[in-house]
This record gives sequence, structure tokens and C-alpha cells, in this order.
Amino acid sequence: DAGITQSPRHKVTETGTPVTLRCHQTENHRYMYWYRQDPGHGLRLIHYSYGVKDTDKGEVSDGYSVSRSKTEDFLLTLESATSSQTSVYFCATAWSGSGTGELFFGEGSRLTVL
Amino acid sequence: GQQLNQSPQSMFIQEGEDVSMNCTSSSIFNTWLWYKQDPGEGPVLLIALYKAGELTSNGRLTAQFGITRKDSFLNISASIPSDVGIYFCAGHTQGGSEKLVFGKGTKLTVNP
Repeated sequence: DAGITQSPRHKVTETGTPVTLRCHQTENHRYMYWYRQDPGHGLRLIHYSYGVKDTDKGEVSDGYSVSRSKTEDFLLTLESATSSQTSVYFCATAWSGSGTGELFFGEGSRLTVL
Repeated sequence: GQQLNQSPQSMFIQEGEDVSMNCTSSSIFNTWLWYKQDPGEGPVLLIALYKAGELTSNGRLTAQFGITRKDSFLNISASIPSDVGIYFCAGHTQGGSEKLVFGKGTKLTVNP
């Protein structure tokens, strides 16, 4: 258990409003990721971070931004939420140097955009 | 981009039956991993495979890293109700970013 906490766990919002999801980890893992999970699509990478202030895009990054100002926190922001962003969002972490691809996942944040 | 084809998409089995699922790719991976997601939870790593041809067991689970490095399978023997969930395969190519490519998952239902 990598001590990953996501907040909020559930959120309902309206189209056009900004939303920020937070991921907090206590294991000092270097790498952090945001995935979204949708039926029929599995897990798709949105953005990831390979260190403080170092981030890069994943395969479905449009409409999302991220920030990582300290090792333990990785924020995902939807500047103007749309109904297509209704999904379950998972944060994951990996420790540096393993080279194995082993990720530890949080419990997920369910976002509904009306 | 890289894609993994995971099959079957779903399985409905009776308790005690064996289960087999697999993943194939057109790309080569250095590591194959299998995750399980319980309902309402995040995925948890079950097995990681690091060498082509490697066969690894974890209790009732057995997984193999295909010799071509483009496929992997997961077997579950003597299924029990708590095996219910979604199973994901994932492939990893070393390169420093620690990014995984995930299959779309196999949803397993076990009838008591």
C-alpha cells in the first residue's frame, strides 16, 4: 500500500465549471500519474509527472492540466468541465529507479459533469 | 500508439472453474503486468513478468510472458467468489518515464 489519497472521492458539477482533483502520496515516489477509466476504454493516461514541476502529456490530455509543486501532491485540473469528462479518475505512483512499470493506484475519484 | 488487445472482454463462470485470459500486442514489451480491480477500488498489482518465456505463479494465479515478448496470459485455477473484478494486462517498455500501456480489461463474474 503506497499511501495514496485522492480527493474528493465523489463530485458532481455543472458544465463549464472548473474542477480540481488532488492526489496525495506519502511514499516519496518520484512518478505520479492521472488516468481516467471509462467503460469499453479501460485505463487511459491523461498526464504524468516524473518529478517536481516536471510533467508530460498522456494519450487523452486535451481539456486537462496538471501541476506538481511538491513530491507528495499531484493536481489534475479541468479548466471548464464538459459532459465527456464524466469518468472515474485514478491517481497512481511509481518509485524511481525500478524500471519495472509497477504502479500503485489510489481508490479513484468519481466525477459527474451535468 | 501502442495498443494491447485483451480478451475476453467478460467471463461468467461457476465457482471452482479455471479461468484463462490473454493479452496481445503488435509491440514488444520488456515487462508484462497483471492488475486486478475490485469493485469500487483502484487496480492492484497481481503479477509482474520480466523475462520472455517466464512463467510465474502467485497462489492460484499463473501468468506467462510470451516468448515473442508480444503477449501474455493469466490463468486462475479453482475460482472463488472473491475473484470477481476486472483484470487488466499492462505492458511496459523501459525508457525512464515508467509509462504503462493497459489493455481494456476482462470483467470476471463468478457464480457461487
